[in-house]
Amino acid sequence: DAKTTQPTSMDCAEGRAANLPCNHSTISGNEYVYWYRQIHSQGPQYIIHGLKNNETNEMASLIITEDRKSSTLILPHATLRDTAVYYCLPYAGNNRKLIWGLGTSLAVNP
Amino acid sequence: EPEVTQTPSHQVTQMGQEVILRCVPISNHLYFYWYRQILGQKVEFLVSFYNNEISEKSEIFDDQFSVERPDGSNFTLKIRSTKLEDSAMYFCASQSDGTEAFFGQGTRLTVV
Repeated sequence: DAKTTQPTSMDCAEGRAANLPCNHSTISGNEYVYWYRQIHSQGPQYIIHGLKNNETNEMASLIITEDRKSSTLILPHATLRDTAVYYCLPYAGNNRKLIWGLGTSLAVNP
Repeated sequence: EPEVTQTPSHQVTQMGQEVILRCVPISNHLYFYWYRQILGQKVEFLVSFYNNEISEKSEIFDDQFSVERPDGSNFTLKIRSTKLEDSAMYFCASQSDGTEAFFGQGTRLTVV
């Protein structure tokens, strides 16, 4: 299973873009990059996923490098409610378990 | 929007007692999971369930744990004889084929 490296913590000013990096250099060819977040010990919440193209939805944008060894989750206009732990997880989407790291604790400050 | 529902939100139990944690997955989902998170630690996989049987389980999921889907809607996790180290948040998740997993809000289990 691919391992990931994420910064332990980040800060962002409210209204500014939050850019959260993730290294996944051992990702397999059939694995997507999934992002989840966890707000204060609540259940993890799905954000976005991608294979090799950049993706955007109503919550965030996902930029994946061409070699697929790293990605960046972008919250374009962070709000206080985006304060959470953000997890990057390689996942083949094959209905097997998700393997969690420690994620990045994002603090959005007023 | 459909959601995964877990009950109770908080359960306090004495060491050695049995507990049953309940989950109602999203109705058309086929794959079901239990994860746990000890305070301050990573989310850990416990077990996955498909077609009325366990498809995968972790080392944590020993003989003290069992899962059941008794009536086609509920999905339960039973811990037969709780230990202090079972204190954690327990999350249920469900998934349709090949899509993202959706998580419930969790049950905080406190063993005293």
